[in-house]
Amino acid sequence: GAGVSQSPSNKVTEKGKDVELRCDPISGHTALYWYRQSLGQGLEFLIYFQGNSAPDKSGLPSDRFSAERTGGSVSTLTIQRTQQEDSAVYLCASSSSGQGYSSTQYFGPGTRLTVL
Amino acid sequence: DAKTTQPNSMESNEEEPVHLPCNHSTISGTDYIHWYRQLPSQGPEYVIHGLTSNVNNRMASLAIAEDRKSSTLILHRATLRDAAVYYCILRKGNYGGSQGNLIFGKGTKLSVKP
Repeated sequence: GAGVSQSPSNKVTEKGKDVELRCDPISGHTALYWYRQSLGQGLEFLIYFQGNSAPDKSGLPSDRFSAERTGGSVSTLTIQRTQQEDSAVYLCASSSSGQGYSSTQYFGPGTRLTVL
Repeated sequence: DAKTTQPNSMESNEEEPVHLPCNHSTISGTDYIHWYRQLPSQGPEYVIHGLTSNVNNRMASLAIAEDRKSSTLILHRATLRDAAVYYCILRKGNYGGSQGNLIFGKGTKLSVKP
């Protein structure tokens, strides 16, 4: 079946512009995660959605970052007034949930964001 | 989540077994040991996980020490495609699984020589 998809695969923007990154999780997965990976760095958690619960935003680095998940499926990560330090690969993952669920997270290919 | 310690890098020859160690001396009784790997220019992918007993799947085997303070991911015959960064991650268990974000460390970069 289809895996997690992300778009665009690459995004180049100018400093100060806003960007939107999209994630389509695996159908039926109720949990969705955003991570980012800066050059040469490990993966950093950003935000986590679980069903209809309030998202866990504890990893967002600043108030310029926000994310939505509409209809329990597609998610959009928005970065306002981008800065050069926002340049990174943004990864989305999804997993199923419920009793007896699998905790395995399935990752998308990522969006490479470059802020000039 | 408790912390894990892995070597920064390891090398292997193609078609030979590889043993990737992970220390987790502060592991609690409900922590599951998960392994993910990240191939170059790709998102991470799940490899295997376990609680107490050794586990085998089509990708690898996981050997867990009796005291659970360390574990070893075993690739039985390394291929060039196995060159990746391997992450050992502890997750709190709940009904056999767990929710919440993964906490990635630096992982072990595995190089495979032909």
